[in-house]
Amino acid sequence: TQLLEQSPQFLSIQEGENLTVYCNSSSVFSSLQWYRQEPGEGPVLLVTVVTGGEVKKLKRLTFQFGDARKDSSLHITAAQPGDTGLYLCAGVNQAGTALIFGKGTTLSVSS
Amino acid sequence: DTEVTQTPKHLVMGMTNKKSLKCEQHMGHRAMYWYKQKAKKPPELMFVYSYEKLSINESVPSRFSPECPNSSLLNLHLHALQPEDSALYLCASSQTGTYGYTFGSGTRLTVV
Repeated sequence: TQLLEQSPQFLSIQEGENLTVYCNSSSVFSSLQWYRQEPGEGPVLLVTVVTGGEVKKLKRLTFQFGDARKDSSLHITAAQPGDTGLYLCAGVNQAGTALIFGKGTTLSVSS
Repeated sequence: DTEVTQTPKHLVMGMTNKKSLKCEQHMGHRAMYWYKQKAKKPPELMFVYSYEKLSINESVPSRFSPECPNSSLLNLHLHALQPEDSALYLCASSQTGTYGYTFGSGTRLTVV
């Protein structure tokens, strides 16, 4: 069974701080995706990482895919209250038929 | 059109009611999905339709019945639900099953 372990599960920080969220698995994934979800809404795709060692930047967000394609990280620089939400890493199952999710990281950024 | 539209946004139903959730996409995606999400938990896969045929049923109780009338529409028929079935029900679609998943905003279901 493919599992995605995400940590930390909860994170409460002050505006301006930096943070990193980790997504780890014992399985190799062809790609990993990161989503952000606000209460009462569906997940919104932030980025897809495909190549081992890949680094992608989206404004203050930096995403990295591990060399072995078993792990990924999301780093946020100078967090803002608007970054508050549930961050989910997800990968396609081995059959290539559906997306499975990590447990998520609930981020709260206070001003 | 790059959206997945779900209706209704909110639904309250009794345990003896029959209701349906609807999902629509016009992106030409050939795979559509139902996920169930409890508060502060990740989405859990329920059903996958590929080319309008049910390809995955994640051991979901028969009180949930999916239907895919055509490549753009996905329904979830509900009957005799339990209070523990209260959750956010998300529909998603993708072109290949590998990339480009798009989620709807969900239906917040409350069973009383």
